[in-house]
Amino acid sequence: DGGITQSPKYLFRKEGQNVTLSCEQNLNHDAMYWYRQDPGQGLRLIYYSQIVNDFQKGDIAEGYSVSREKKESFPLTVTSAQKNPTAFYLCASRDRVNYGYTFGSGTRLTVV
Amino acid sequence: DAKTTQPPSMDCAEGRAANLPCNHSTISGNEYVYWYRQIHSQGPQYIIHGLKNNETNEMASLIITEDRKSSTLILPHATLRDTAVYYCIVRVPGANNLFFGTGTRLTVIP
Repeated sequence: DGGITQSPKYLFRKEGQNVTLSCEQNLNHDAMYWYRQDPGQGLRLIYYSQIVNDFQKGDIAEGYSVSREKKESFPLTVTSAQKNPTAFYLCASRDRVNYGYTFGSGTRLTVV
Repeated sequence: DAKTTQPPSMDCAEGRAANLPCNHSTISGNEYVYWYRQIHSQGPQYIIHGLKNNETNEMASLIITEDRKSSTLILPHATLRDTAVYYCIVRVPGANNLFFGTGTRLTVIP
């Protein structure tokens, strides 16, 4: 079955460390997205990419970086510059035909 | 994207229809209404979308008022597995940001 795989499901980071969250899709979707969700809140867009080797900042890009070297993969790096990284991170991709979004199951990041 | 207003929470008895309202009074002519739901600690799941006609699929029905300023998502026979947060979103297809507000937390009661 096609879908989006995020790994790991849970991640613990020490303060001052960079960590990379994985997102892989086999849906042949061009566009991919990273969202952040805090408890009791909606989703906020971090970065998105509409095509390989191109990406754009979303509403809360500071302290994050991304790459899009392959259509299937859109990893997110949470850098030490992100002051409050503890959150639930969601990766999504979008179908160009009916514009529906497919989400991964998320990565819960905790700073210890 | 147009702003939406949803009640923060609703309860529904198992087996009964769940009717989730959404107001989107500032919706523009080319914006669609989308519904997603998020079960605890999972990614949001697409349910249904529509422009102005009522829509139905295997999961739900979407009723959009004639003036398009509000809509209702209907789960015809709610089950315990339908307990989730339901998000109503209005957007132009292809736009690169889904504005998820805080949604409606639906609790299906046995």
